[in-house]
Amino acid sequence: QVQLVESGGGVVQPGRSLRLSCAASGFTFSSYGMHWVRQAPGKGLEWVAVMSYDGSSKYYADSVKGRFTISRDNPKNTLHLQMNSLRDEDTAVYYCAKDLSYFSRDHFYGMDVWGQGTTVTVSS
Amino acid sequence: IQLTQSPSSLSASVGDRVTITCRASQAIRSYLAWYQQEPGKAPKLLIYAASTLQSGVPSRFSGSGSGTDFTLTISSLQPEDFATYYCQQLNSYPTLTFGGGTKVEIK
Repeated sequence: QVQLVESGGGVVQPGRSLRLSCAASGFTFSSYGMHWVRQAPGKGLEWVAVMSYDGSSKYYADSVKGRFTISRDNPKNTLHLQMNSLRDEDTAVYYCAKDLSYFSRDHFYGMDVWGQGTTVTVSS
Repeated sequence: IQLTQSPSSLSASVGDRVTITCRASQAIRSYLAWYQQEPGKAPKLLIYAASTLQSGVPSRFSGSGSGTDFTLTISSLQPEDFATYYCQQLNSYPTLTFGGGTKVEIK
């Protein structure tokens, strides 16, 4: 079945780095755009980043631009989020999600498959 | 682009008709999606392109609107619909903003 499984979360000190991964299965990963979305404790959803199916387009929320990097390894069906210079306010559950867009470089339509999330806690 | 959802919360009974609105600070054509999130779970896509029902979603859910004003309607609220609902704009980059959410509670 279609599935996304995140990993790599944990407790990290402010200023340090963490790399999240998302393993995809059950669909042709290399054909779809992929997102990262986060949710701080007790708060709403915050979109973080998106990458097109081939990696040629990527966009970031202002809150993470310059600190986070989204990437993908299509042969390994894996999405990554490299998070540097972490701050207290980056504490959240991080979800990866598949976009509806098929072979689209420049437009995305909504996230139809979500992982279970991985928790990142930034604390000294 | 800012998305303002209203109300932020509502109480309703099973069988009620419920309408949630999402207003964009700038026109976003029809690039709007709606999600449902139950506590402790990942969000679920309900509607995309403002009015297209995602496969497998019950027909009591419907979406409408374009430009700046959008609505999500649940025609007859069911027990499993008590959750938080979010809109998201996918028209204006780089930030694909979510609305603040609407919590639907049991009256």
